[in-house]
Amino acid sequence: SQTIHQWPATLVQPVGSPLSLECTVEGTSNPNLYWYRQAAGRGLQLLFYSVGIGQISSEVPQNLSASRPQDRQFILSSKKLLLSDSGFYLCACRTGGTEQFFGPGTRLTVL
Amino acid sequence: SQQGEEDPQALSIQEGENATMNCSYKTSINNLQWYRQNSGRGLVHLILIRSNEREKHSGRLRVTLDTSKKSSSLLITASRAADTASYFCATDSSGTYKYIFGTGTRLKVLA
Repeated sequence: SQTIHQWPATLVQPVGSPLSLECTVEGTSNPNLYWYRQAAGRGLQLLFYSVGIGQISSEVPQNLSASRPQDRQFILSSKKLLLSDSGFYLCACRTGGTEQFFGPGTRLTVL
Repeated sequence: SQQGEEDPQALSIQEGENATMNCSYKTSINNLQWYRQNSGRGLVHLILIRSNEREKHSGRLRVTLDTSKKSSSLLITASRAADTASYFCATDSSGTYKYIFGTGTRLKVLA
């Protein structure tokens, strides 16, 4: 079964600084990959998904971007963080058109 | 807009009682999944039910799906303190690669 790694686990960044969150997947190939954000005490908001290398679909207009340089690597980036970017970022993986599995998440605090 | 909405938003029960959570959605789906999230952690996949299924069991979990009403329910029988968590439903709209999550039900099981 697949394993999803995310790092860092926690991150505190100043407003205006850049961001790079990484997600890698083991144990599967050609997965669909997803980035979600969860505000404190809230549900999950889908930010980006990718069905293959270099293929990114954006769900919500914002100052974040995503890239998929390799089959099992998904990166979430920002050039300048906003206070509103604080939250819990979750990477997810889906193969075979069925269950979606999640990584452990990165808690981002923008000060 | 949010595809899934859970009801109730919060639920507090005594250990040993049953807990029932409901999920409503808006569009046609392929699958519906239920997840559990312990505080500050990633999501754990509980159970998937396909649109042509009406009921599914897994241990103490029972999920029903009524596509005519666009709703699903998750029943946890003989609850334990360890079941304390937030529970989310996620729907996979027909023709998309995306799972959209509801706002979640916060379950508290009192020992």
